[in-house]
Amino acid sequence: AQKITQTQPGMFVQEKEAVTLDCTYDTSDPSYGLFWYKQPSSGEMIFLIYQGSYDQQNATEGRYSLNFQKARKSANLVISASQLGDSAMYFCAMREGSSNDYKLSFGAGTTVTVRA
Amino acid sequence: GAGVSQSPSNKVTEKGKDVELRCDPISGHTALYWYRQSLGQGLEFLIYFQGNSAPDKSGLPSDRFSAERTGGSVSTLTIQRTQQEDSAVYLCASSLESTSGRNTQYFGPGTRLTVL
Repeated sequence: AQKITQTQPGMFVQEKEAVTLDCTYDTSDPSYGLFWYKQPSSGEMIFLIYQGSYDQQNATEGRYSLNFQKARKSANLVISASQLGDSAMYFCAMREGSSNDYKLSFGAGTTVTVRA
Repeated sequence: GAGVSQSPSNKVTEKGKDVELRCDPISGHTALYWYRQSLGQGLEFLIYFQGNSAPDKSGLPSDRFSAERTGGSVSTLTIQRTQQEDSAVYLCASSLESTSGRNTQYFGPGTRLTVL
């Protein structure tokens, strides 16, 4: 079974608008971490934001915020005030924690194109 | 400080040849991970190191793949008798240590391998 599901293969957003990227996850582990990475055309994976399963508050990092809905098992990324440089592929990833499971499981990614 | 570096950035080889891919992690990071990114399979975990030990190699796709890490730093991923299906981008990541769910994995720029 897929551990991370990203249902939006591609999205277009107007510059300065906000965009929400969907991510749902599947785990029975009570301890886990959720990560979002950005991959521009250059190929490097850039860490954006982290949410732990026990965190009480939704994570925020600058223009990035995470809408964490634990009961629904969703961790959507919100990018506010989109910029042309935000055009990239975005990956949601999960790490299951209580068994010292170290690897990240990634979703298929969402391509975001910001229009001027 | 310097991020994760990988070399070469691009490698074109002929089917049946051996290749070595190198990863230099962030200084002080004890955990190191290899992933593979291909069009059909998305991002797949291959192997991770804690120090010089690789506790789990089950992500390696076949016995033609091997990896080592020396001095708790540089790692080499070796693919013997390359096949066309090995063509992919090989990504390396490092983190402070592997057992905390919060520790973020930081990725290198990747090596794009093309097997003709």
